[in-house]
Amino acid sequence: AQRVTQPEKLLSVFKGAPVELKCNYSYSGSPELFWYVQYSRQRLQLLLRHISRESIKGFTADLNKGETSFHLKKPFAQEEDSAMYYCALNDAGGTSYGKLTFGQGTILTVHP
Amino acid sequence: NAGVTQTPKFQVLKTGQSMTLQCAQDMNHEYMSWYRQDPGMGLRLIHYSVGAGITDQGEVPNGYNVSRSTTEDFPLRLLSAAPSQTSVYFCASSYSSPGQYIEKLFFGSGTQLSVL
Repeated sequence: AQRVTQPEKLLSVFKGAPVELKCNYSYSGSPELFWYVQYSRQRLQLLLRHISRESIKGFTADLNKGETSFHLKKPFAQEEDSAMYYCALNDAGGTSYGKLTFGQGTILTVHP
Repeated sequence: NAGVTQTPKFQVLKTGQSMTLQCAQDMNHEYMSWYRQDPGMGLRLIHYSVGAGITDQGEVPNGYNVSRSTTEDFPLRLLSAAPSQTSVYFCASSYSSPGQYIEKLFFGSGTQLSVL
């Protein structure tokens, strides 16, 4: 069965420091991976998806099929990046129909 | 557009009580789903629907029922509440377009449920 693992439950960095949130997955097919973010008092929302190869709010994530990883990175963290981050996997090989497998989540705190 | 609306925001139940969590979306999305969020467990899929009249089970369906009589509404029913169902519940909707798929899930604001 597919699985998404985020090994860090909590991650603390100082403002301006680089940050990397780890995500590993287990899936035998061609996965589609996403990062969702939940800021304080806001709804869970899509941050970025690997298929778009985009940079959102300075964050990037590269799919590494050899290491089965999809780590989220930002070179210079900002206080407003403090949030809960979820890595998610679509294993349907197409439309997920709203079914994603989520990791356990990482709470990122950026200190001033 | 209000997006995805969930009610109530908070609810306390006694063991054995039943209730319905409401979810409505005004974006004409085909797909709707229910997740529960538990510490250390992330979000887990309870049930999902690919259209009116069509529902299916997710990873943790036991103790929950759903129906989808309209495109807009996707209520989640707790048949006989148990303390293990204490959680935060999220409803989400999404859609696909011909020739491509859009995998962005739109989430509601959540319902915090406590079962005593």
